[in-house]
Amino acid sequence: GQQVMQIPQYQHVQEGEDFTTYCNSSTTLSNIQWYKQRPGGHPVFLIQLVKSGEVKKQKRLTFQFGEAKKNSSLHITATQTTDVGTYFCAGRNYGGATNKLIFGTGTLLAVQP
Amino acid sequence: GAGVSQTPSNKVTEKGKYVELRCDPISGHTALYWYRQSLGQGPEFLIYFQGTGAADDSGLPNDRFFAVRPEGSVSTLKIQRTERGDSAVYLCASKSQPNTEAFFGQGTRLTVV
Repeated sequence: GQQVMQIPQYQHVQEGEDFTTYCNSSTTLSNIQWYKQRPGGHPVFLIQLVKSGEVKKQKRLTFQFGEAKKNSSLHITATQTTDVGTYFCAGRNYGGATNKLIFGTGTLLAVQP
Repeated sequence: GAGVSQTPSNKVTEKGKYVELRCDPISGHTALYWYRQSLGQGPEFLIYFQGTGAADDSGLPNDRFFAVRPEGSVSTLKIQRTERGDSAVYLCASKSQPNTEAFFGQGTRLTVV
């Protein structure tokens, strides 16, 4: 079945350092979404990418969708303590019969002030 | 309502008992998802509803798990003969349309003792 893996599983940075998480799907995706889950909270939507090679920015966050639509990345510039949480990618199979949304394994980000 | 509501927020049950978990999606959202999340892992897809019908139930782990959405709004996830391995946070999410963001509830933490 479809698998979505993320690396690294955990990253600890000093405040002000950059951070990147990578998402890789075993199948081609129709689109990719990114969510953030704070400790003890629920996933909250950040962004959706649809086009091959698409790049989107939200302030210090940069999201990319790979050319083959099988991978994606999230880069945070100059991390802040408010960035702490687990970042998940989630995708729907290209040409899939349903709108099943599969989540990645997640990357937990810890930021030391 | 203003957001996705899940009840109860916490449920402790004895092994072998039956439990029902309720999800009240955002009004007007036709798509509804159930996920299960264990500590340190990503949300694991269980079932997806489009309207009243289960469009994809491929994530249900076995026949002890069942979900309904009789009027296309509130959904109930039912677990028979609970096992300790069923302990997890059960998340519900809804969408207004297939390729839009998913809004998650706060989840129900199920503990089977």
